[in-house]
Amino acid sequence: EAGVAQSPRYKIIEKRQSVAFWCNPISGHATLYWYQQILGQGPKLLIQFQNNGVVDDSQLPKDRFSAERLKGVDSTLKIQPAKLEDSAVYLCASSFLQGQNEKLFFGSGTQLSVL
Amino acid sequence: AQTVTQSQPEMSVQEAETVTLSCTYDTSESDYYLFWYKQPPSRQMILVIRQEAYKQQNATENRFSVNFQKAAKSFSLKISDSQLGDAAMYFCAYRSANSNYQLIWGAGTKLIIKP
Repeated sequence: EAGVAQSPRYKIIEKRQSVAFWCNPISGHATLYWYQQILGQGPKLLIQFQNNGVVDDSQLPKDRFSAERLKGVDSTLKIQPAKLEDSAVYLCASSFLQGQNEKLFFGSGTQLSVL
Repeated sequence: AQTVTQSQPEMSVQEAETVTLSCTYDTSESDYYLFWYKQPPSRQMILVIRQEAYKQQNATENRFSVNFQKAAKSFSLKISDSQLGDAAMYFCAYRSANSNYQLIWGAGTKLIIKP
């Protein structure tokens, strides 16, 4: 079974530039999450999708971050414009069944450095 | 709001020895789940072990076991016969069983295995 695919693996940009991350979840997984993991901290949920609908985006900085999940499969997360404090690892995770018995599968993340 | 605290930023253990990682949490709920995740340098979060709060029996997975003390709100991870491949960041996480299935994460503990 193929895992959660993310690209790119690393990205270095200057502040005020734009950047996009891509995630391909495990086939058949309806739920998709984007997390931000700042160095030395646990992951912080940015947005949760159920199929192509947003379940929770309460912690997404909507003035600069946007995410979409067209056709309920692949997802992209965009930052425009980037700030220094956006430097972090961006993790994508997916699950087949949302709820009590949910098991998350994570990708290897994209490490973003904003200079 | 629920919180998860990992008070040990870093732990080290000799190969083949046993090590215990600490985790405490705060919640007013009686029904919830607790998790330990491993994050190796590849950055992919891997589920190590899961505990349902309503179960008194401590969960075990091969060399990994937990000491779940519900009244004390403590959830420690014991790794027996430590191996070099166990070296990673370990994150403790909490999830409500009633609503809002989001994971609440601790800050992590870096585990170093000495050969």
